[in-house]
Amino acid sequence: QLQLQESGPGLVKPSETLSLTCSVSGGSISSNDYYWGWIRQPPGKGLEWIGSIYYSGSTYYTPSLKSRVTISVDMSKNQVSLRMNSVTAADTAVYYCASQRLLHQYDFWGQGTLVTVSS
Amino acid sequence: EIFLTQSPGTLSLSPGERATLSCRASQTVVSDYLAWYQQKPGQAPRLLIYGASRRATAIPDRFSGSGSGTDFTLTISRLEPEDFAVYHCHQYGSLPFTFGPGTKVDIK
Repeated sequence: QLQLQESGPGLVKPSETLSLTCSVSGGSISSNDYYWGWIRQPPGKGLEWIGSIYYSGSTYYTPSLKSRVTISVDMSKNQVSLRMNSVTAADTAVYYCASQRLLHQYDFWGQGTLVTVSS
Repeated sequence: EIFLTQSPGTLSLSPGERATLSCRASQTVVSDYLAWYQQKPGQAPRLLIYGASRRATAIPDRFSGSGSGTDFTLTISRLEPEDFAVYHCHQYGSLPFTFGPGTKVDIK
């Protein structure tokens, strides 16, 4: 069974760059069956899809964040990364990484990491 | 972009009762690629249903999904104490993928 674990700074200053890493265990990030996604959830609100990536590097992003977001994979470390630049308080959220079978449903999720944007 | 609305916003029921949750899409969900997730406070979402009606691994059969096109339903046949949570629907048939705002099922 896949296990995912997010890590990164819990506090980021406005206008700076948010950087998170998702470590995957129990399977290879270069699996033909899986995409790897990032989803976020502002406090007390619903889920928002950020984007997904295949090990080959193919990426898909939600249009509202596309200009600020980069998702990448590091196969040597079995990790997926998220970078979001020019953050504001509106980017404060719990950020989840999740495995996405064949770009379909998200079947395994990390525990999530809270990122607060504040000076 | 497909917008998902969920109703009701909150459902207050007692253990043993039947819960019926609705998810409506602004456009047809391609291939009925609609999933349901359960989320408890402080936890990540957990996949319950995918493909509108297929139960995920180890999900009890009191959970069932139905519907097609733009209207989908999650039914919990008899609520157990551990079922009180927030339920999210998610369409993955068209990019960008989207989630509904959630329905909270709380104890009456």
